[in-house]
Amino acid sequence: EAGVTQFPSHSVIEKGQTVTLRCDPISGHDNLYWYRRVMGKEIKFLLHFVKESKQDESGMPNNRFLAERTGGTYSTLKVQPAELEDSGVYFCASSRDRGYEQYFGPGTRLTVT
Amino acid sequence: GEDVEQSLFLSVREGDSSVINCTYTDSSSTYLYWYKQEPGAGLQLLTYIFSNMDMKQDQRLTVLLNKKDKHLSLRIADTQTGDSAIYFCAEVDQGNLIFGKGTKLSVKP
Repeated sequence: EAGVTQFPSHSVIEKGQTVTLRCDPISGHDNLYWYRRVMGKEIKFLLHFVKESKQDESGMPNNRFLAERTGGTYSTLKVQPAELEDSGVYFCASSRDRGYEQYFGPGTRLTVT
Repeated sequence: GEDVEQSLFLSVREGDSSVINCTYTDSSSTYLYWYKQEPGAGLQLLTYIFSNMDMKQDQRLTVLLNKKDKHLSLRIADTQTGDSAIYFCAEVDQGNLIFGKGTKLSVKP
């Protein structure tokens, strides 16, 4: 069984540019989560999809972040326009049941200069 | 809000036991998790314990849960250099994970 995959593994962009991160969950996992770790801080929850629906987006920092999961398969997280404080590692996770056994991808390291 | 606390560093010698401690605040967490992150890699689900259990053993790993004190620990027996990593404790809050900052385990030969 393939694990959670994320693309790209690393992205370096300038402040004001747009970046789109992609996550492919484990096949059959309806629950998909985005988390983020900024330098020196905890890994923080961003949002949770159940299939194509946003179940909880309470962790999204502001309206520069837009997440989608069209068709309930892969998900994208767009940051537009990017700011310096958006730098960090963005993790995606998926699970069969809500909250239970979340499997994480390798993360996308975003650097905004 | 919910909070998970861990010490940031732990250094042990190869062959010794490692004990990583964690305290959490949400007494309603159904499960508590330990994740491992090796250098350059993602988060690997290491083990978890159901909240009605006191202990769970899985090969070299032992998880102890003290619900009264909201204290969780991970013991790694016969620690190897390959165990060097960051270990994250996590509780579940409304289906989402709340993580500690992670404990960096260094294993000296």
